[in-house]
Amino acid sequence: GAGVSQTPSNKVTEKGKYVELRCDPISGHTALYWYRQSLGQGPEFLIYFQGTGAADDSGLPNDRFFAVRPEGSVSTLKIQRTERGDSAVYLCASSRTGGPNTEAFFGQGTRLTVV
Amino acid sequence: DQQVKQNSPSLSVQEGRISILNCDYTNSMFDYFLWYKKYPAEGPTFLISISSIKDKNEDGRFTVFLNKSAKHLSLHIVPSQPGDSAVYFCAANAGGTSYGKLTFGQGTILTVHP
Repeated sequence: GAGVSQTPSNKVTEKGKYVELRCDPISGHTALYWYRQSLGQGPEFLIYFQGTGAADDSGLPNDRFFAVRPEGSVSTLKIQRTERGDSAVYLCASSRTGGPNTEAFFGQGTRLTVV
Repeated sequence: DQQVKQNSPSLSVQEGRISILNCDYTNSMFDYFLWYKKYPAEGPTFLISISSIKDKNEDGRFTVFLNKSAKHLSLHIVPSQPGDSAVYFCAANAGGTSYGKLTFGQGTILTVHP
């Protein structure tokens, strides 16, 4: 498809389990972003990749959260020892570059529910 | 610490009238501002942006106004249409960081009645 694709759309997991969320950016986009949106709030920045490297991971809440983008395209957000407070919609976005006037396109998100 | 605030959780307007959505920010390092629109079960979609060197940017029915001294921006939709009903997010970017690293407000739910 032409847009940003996120899988799965929904994920229910038990507290303490490990989860992986996948993002397929728009082809050719070098910049990729992960955001988290809790109920009633706006998206909150987690991490930004430029190519394969994490250029800014200042938004990751703690060391249970980790993200990779090994080939500069698909990215995986990994959450260890999930907690109920991790329940949210996780959004991925990509842009052609990380520079000015380059719009970020969002995927539809993965709704994570930790029970 | 909410650096971008949308103080109106919801707004209801009649079709054909003007919709005005407001946003305030506190971080003086923000120099690029955007509005996103979000329908249920979809990701946010870019609507319009403005650089801090401007005070107005217009695109069709959508106009964004920026008042730097007041640290306030607004989105005007004229005329409003039922299809505009969605959640609108104000977002800001600080100079020197990637343009995709955005700080979002909480959102305003706009309902346009036929």
